[in-house]
Amino acid sequence: SAVISQKPSRDICQRGTSLTIQCQVDSQVTMMFWYRQQPGQSLTLIATANQGSEATYESGFVIDKFPISRPNLTFSTLTVSNMSPEDSSIYLCSLRDGGQSTEAFFGQGTRLTVV
Amino acid sequence: GENVEQHPSTLSVQEGDSAVIKCTYSDSASNYFPWYKQELGKRPQLIIDIRSNVGEKKDQRIAVTLNKTAKHFSLHITETQPEDSAVYFCAATSNAGGTSYGKLTFGQGTILTVHP
Repeated sequence: SAVISQKPSRDICQRGTSLTIQCQVDSQVTMMFWYRQQPGQSLTLIATANQGSEATYESGFVIDKFPISRPNLTFSTLTVSNMSPEDSSIYLCSLRDGGQSTEAFFGQGTRLTVV
Repeated sequence: GENVEQHPSTLSVQEGDSAVIKCTYSDSASNYFPWYKQELGKRPQLIIDIRSNVGEKKDQRIAVTLNKTAKHFSLHITETQPEDSAVYFCAATSNAGGTSYGKLTFGQGTILTVHP
C-alpha cells in the first residue's frame, strides 16, 4: 500500500491568511482527493485532484477558496485561502492506487484552527 | 450524486455483545462499499469492504452484508471489545465516470462505545 505524508499536522492561523497543506506519496497514484472533516462530523469531499488539469470541485467548494495543485502523480497541495474561523477543521488527503473498487488511504490529516 | 445515510449515530454496547451499523445509498450504480474505523485524533482506516458482486464478507469478528436491491449494507461486529470503541464510517463509490471517477461518499458516522 502507498505511504502518504501530509504536512503540517496542525496549525493555528490568523483569519484572513492562507495555509497550504502538502500531501506526498511514495509511489505514483492516479486518484487523489481532498476531504474536510469538521469537528465531530463525517468526511466531506472538497475536490478531486487531477494530474495535469484543474481539480474537480464538489458542490459548495470553489477554486478561489480552496486552490489545489497536482503537478505530478506523487504530490498535491490544498490551500485554504482567506481563512475564517469557520474553516477550522481537519483536512485530509486521500488516494486510491488501483481501480475504483480498491481501498482508499488517508494522510494523517491537518488540524487547522483559525483564530 | 450519491447520498449515503448511516444509522445509528451513536451505539453503546457491553463487552461481548454484538454491534450492527446500517447504511443506505442512493446510486444504484455504486459498486464498492468500504467501512472505515477512525480512532480519536487518527486517520480513517479501512476495516472491511465489499463489492457489489458479493452479498456477504467476513473477517474474524467483523462482517459486512450488502443488499443491492434494497440499496443497503450493514456492518456487524461480534464479541465486541473495548478497543472496538471508535467512530465507524460507511462509504460508497459513485460509478460516475470522468473527473468524478473513484470518489467516495461517506455516511455520517457512528460513535461506538463498548463498555467493559
